[in-house]
Amino acid sequence: GAVVSQHPSWVICKSGTSVKIECRSLDFQATTMFWYRQFPKQSLMLMATSNEGSKATYEQGVEKDKFLINHASLTLSTLTVTSAHPEDSSFYICSARVYRDPQQTQYFGPGTRLLVL
Amino acid sequence: EDQVTQSPEALRLQEGESSSLNCSYTVSGLRGLFWYRQDPGKGPEFLFTLYSAGEEKEKERLKATLTKKESFLHITAPKPEDSATYLCAVIKGGSSYKLIFGSGTRLLVRP
Repeated sequence: GAVVSQHPSWVICKSGTSVKIECRSLDFQATTMFWYRQFPKQSLMLMATSNEGSKATYEQGVEKDKFLINHASLTLSTLTVTSAHPEDSSFYICSARVYRDPQQTQYFGPGTRLLVL
Repeated sequence: EDQVTQSPEALRLQEGESSSLNCSYTVSGLRGLFWYRQDPGKGPEFLFTLYSAGEEKEKERLKATLTKKESFLHITAPKPEDSATYLCAVIKGGSSYKLIFGSGTRLLVRP
């Protein structure tokens, strides 16, 4: 149980284009999902907290207009990188928390590697 | 300031050579400490959650323990397939349940 998927796993795009990444909880409902960014040999950096049916909460320094988050259902959150530039190239990972889980465990997706040319 | 520090940064072991990874934390009102394993190019895989000092959890060759200031991940008789980065993270009281991650320990187990 507690499986999280991401799509796509790899994406290469030209500078200036927008890229959408999907995060799905496959066997549980998740009112809260999280989006992280990870650079090589570094730990995960939280970008934003996504709540179903409401606006996402962004961490300090993360541009809301550049990283659009939509959490339209209890099993799906999307991250759109708008007008991507080479510096946005990174490994993006989502996580989901089981609805009403008192242990607050976050289960992570496999990640999406973005390369902006 | 809330902080999670993992040591060592990297660890090389021979197969069968037991060792421990350390995670020390300074957060107000710890609600939970989590251990994850991350393989290269993959998302973190959940291993354990610990909530109170003295708590211990085991899974195969791994055993996690928790004190008021730190947690240890003991690896008994490791195998090459245990090679990965091990991440420690905490949730503090009063937060929106955000995880605060350490920088990880890269473990390499040689056959």
